[in-house]
Amino acid sequence: SYELTQPPSVSVSPGQTARITCSGDVLAKQYVHWYHQKAGQAPTLVIFQNSERPSGIPERFSGSISGTTATLTISGVRTEDEGDYYCQSADKSDTYFYVFGGGTKVSV
Amino acid sequence: QVQLVQSASEVRKPGASVTISCKASGYTSTDYRFTNYALSWLRQAPGRGPEWMGYVNTYTGKPSYAQDFTGRFVFHFDTSVSATFLQINNLRSDDTATYYCAGGINSPFDYWGQGSLVTVSS
Repeated sequence: SYELTQPPSVSVSPGQTARITCSGDVLAKQYVHWYHQKAGQAPTLVIFQNSERPSGIPERFSGSISGTTATLTISGVRTEDEGDYYCQSADKSDTYFYVFGGGTKVSV
Repeated sequence: QVQLVQSASEVRKPGASVTISCKASGYTSTDYRFTNYALSWLRQAPGRGPEWMGYVNTYTGKPSYAQDFTGRFVFHFDTSVSATFLQINNLRSDDTATYYCAGGINSPFDYWGQGSLVTVSS
């Protein structure tokens, strides 16, 4: 098994830039995806395949990866961006499975 | 637009069983990328992140379980109603959680159900 490590929390003022990291050896081989979960709601996909943005997700959300560390960047943070953010990847080396990072709580 | 609609929340006593459903809609029969993919089940305990439980192949109906979810957990897919079901047997207090179904094309979890809260309490 492996782990994806995220910082527990990030605090930013409205209009600033938030950066959330996700580290794990498997990221050198597998895509990372990012999900945003507001309180009491199901998660929603905000970035897929490292850096792609789904239809309907604002341009202020972007993703990047360098080696074994992925970064979700939220530029010009808005109050509605508050919540928990999870990175997710897969391990296909043995039995196929998906794993999530521990989550980062973004406070605006 | 694909939608996943789950059944309502449930309360059970320890040792009982519960079945949650997840019905998929909004995709066409020609959208093979969704119909030939997989629907996953995920557990989210209070205050914790999502945890992948496994998936059911919506084309073959074959389930695959994550290591921590073998034995008491059963998935199946009913093609006639385009719904997947999660059955949890011999419930324990630590099964108290919100359970989500999710599926996708660009990622494993493009689409999520609204969640079904299962509370296990005597």
